[in-house]
Amino acid sequence: AQSVAQPEDQVNVAEGNPLTVKCTYSVSGNPYLFWYVQYPNRGLQFLLKYITGDNLVKGSYGFEAEFNKSQTSFHLKKPSALVSDSALYFCAVREAGNTPLVFGKGTRLSVIA
Amino acid sequence: EADIYQTPRYLVIGTGKKITLECSQTMGHDKMYWYQQDPGMELHLIHYSYGVNSTEKGDLSSESTVSRIRTEHFPLTLESARPSHTSQYLCASSEYTKGNEQFFGPGTRLTVL
Repeated sequence: AQSVAQPEDQVNVAEGNPLTVKCTYSVSGNPYLFWYVQYPNRGLQFLLKYITGDNLVKGSYGFEAEFNKSQTSFHLKKPSALVSDSALYFCAVREAGNTPLVFGKGTRLSVIA
Repeated sequence: EADIYQTPRYLVIGTGKKITLECSQTMGHDKMYWYQQDPGMELHLIHYSYGVNSTEKGDLSSESTVSRIRTEHFPLTLESARPSHTSQYLCASSEYTKGNEQFFGPGTRLTVL
């Protein structure tokens, strides 16, 4: 069965510093990997996805993620954090087939001015 | 911004009432989903649909029911609301292709007194 782990409930980073939000996955076949962001009282917004091709994927708002097959990871990164990046971030995976996305438990990112 | 709509955005009702949460999308997506999320917590899939007249139960057992009579519409009904149903309900949709992301509505925040 497919699963996603986000090992950190909370990540704190100073504004201007690089940020990383971690995600590891488990699937039996090739993974389709996604990152979403959720602001308070809002639905989830799609940030980026990995389907195939380059391991480094670029997405919205300056975010990027690196797919690492050997470590089964898909960490979200940004070179310079903004206070407005503070939100809840979800990693999700889908394996072969048309099953619904499986989401991690979420990581709360706080960027401090 | 995704063209997926949920009404009402906020609902406060008494125990025992029947309620229907509305979800509509104008993107022509075949697949639609309902998630339950306590504020700031993980998402739980409660129902999904692969197309008209198709409905499936998700990972989290729910007393709600859904219907899919039209492609664009996926309402969720609670026959008799209870305080334990207090939560946020998120609707999402996606194209049928497995590499496609899910688009989320803004959510309905339900409070049952």
